[in-house]
Amino acid sequence: EVQLVETGGGLIQPGGSLRLSCAVSGFTVSSNYMSWVRQAPGKGLEWVSFIYSGGSTYYADSVKGRFTISRDNSKNTLYLQMTSLRAEDTAVYYCAKVTADGFDVWGQGTMVTVSS
Amino acid sequence: QSALTQPASVSGSPGQSITISCTGTSSDVGSYNVVSWYQQHPGKAPKLMIYEVTKRPSGVSNRFSGSKSGNTASLTISGLQAEDEADYYCCSYAGSSTYVFGTGTKVTVL
Repeated sequence: EVQLVETGGGLIQPGGSLRLSCAVSGFTVSSNYMSWVRQAPGKGLEWVSFIYSGGSTYYADSVKGRFTISRDNSKNTLYLQMTSLRAEDTAVYYCAKVTADGFDVWGQGTMVTVSS
Repeated sequence: QSALTQPASVSGSPGQSITISCTGTSSDVGSYNVVSWYQQHPGKAPKLMIYEVTKRPSGVSNRFSGSKSGNTASLTISGLQAEDEADYYCCSYAGSSTYVFGTGTKVTVL
């Protein structure tokens, strides 16, 4: 069964760092394109970051230089390292598998709250 | 990377058809046939409903259809049902391996 499970969310102070994990089962992370998408409370979806199977990474302007997407092939897990966190980064963070079909498989999301 | 523009809300009675628009620019919707649509029920993860402008994933009802003209993509739901009440988001490839989502539309079944 294809499944994505995000963990690592929580309450963090402004300026702090947090690492989100997305454990994948049913397919191989390293062979697929993967992405992070976030949704602020009561707001719409926002694309955050993307990693190609070859390892190239891309970011939205809003997080560039502060967030880093990566993967551990041995653990079949995707990560999002978030630094210099701001109140506006407060959101549910989803990981998703990306194909030519679009964002076709999504996790259940993990909540990140940036507040003092 | 400005969000694509969608109407905040659209409503219809059971059995009717509704259309949700998604307006971008010549740098995203207008340049690529990589437009997808997602349905999101409250507290749930988004679900892919349409990809590559007009294609439906396996298992998605044929009541959902997509189209595009210029910088505007559209999602049509025909034979509206109570279970279609949800938020809907469009998404477009925007070049340089980046994507942009729409502002979202709340669909209400009257």
